[in-house]
Amino acid sequence: RKEVEQDPGPFNVPEGATVAFNCTYSNSASQSFFWYRQDCRKEPKLLMSVYSSGNEDGRFTAQLNRASQYISLLIRDSKLSDSATYLCVVENNNDMRFGAGTRLTVKP
Amino acid sequence: DTEVTQTPKHLVMGMTNKKSLKCEQHMGHRAMYWYKQKAKKPPELMFVYSYEKLSINESVPSRFSPECPNSSLLNLHLHALQPEDSALYLCASSRDRGRRGGYTFGSGTRLTVV
Repeated sequence: RKEVEQDPGPFNVPEGATVAFNCTYSNSASQSFFWYRQDCRKEPKLLMSVYSSGNEDGRFTAQLNRASQYISLLIRDSKLSDSATYLCVVENNNDMRFGAGTRLTVKP
Repeated sequence: DTEVTQTPKHLVMGMTNKKSLKCEQHMGHRAMYWYKQKAKKPPELMFVYSYEKLSINESVPSRFSPECPNSSLLNLHLHALQPEDSALYLCASSRDRGRRGGYTFGSGTRLTVV
């Protein structure tokens, strides 16, 4: 089983849609959780950390369920500029492990 | 300065060449990382330096040799690479290993081995 698993995608949605990504992780001792965004041929950039209480940043909401070892990212009112690959990242043993990423394309 | 700077941005090298990738950060971060990313795949951890000491080597072939001359610099020396080593090589840093704030990545070096 992979350490971090994500919906494979791709997700193709119209502008204004709400889209949700899911991620599961295998190590119950994992300590920190993140969503990164990666544009084509660019480096990953931190989108948001994920906290146990859930957290929101504008149109983006992240949730963590430690019991189920599950992380989610919700994007509301999708914009064309949200098109990217979204990487679920989990800290295991003080090092970061990446999910395979979910490709999102937002269309006009 | 909140950047991680990598040079060169692009590199084409033959299988008999020796080259080095460079990474620099001036954020006072004490952990630095090398990742390898193939097309349509996630980044894969290669090496971790914590307080200028190599703390993790993820079973990377010896044709890749990391070096951390000081707390701001991280090099990756390349020798006798294979075409399958062609990839995007990403450097990252964090305040300490596994900090809650995540990593800052450089823009990467796109390496092609011919």
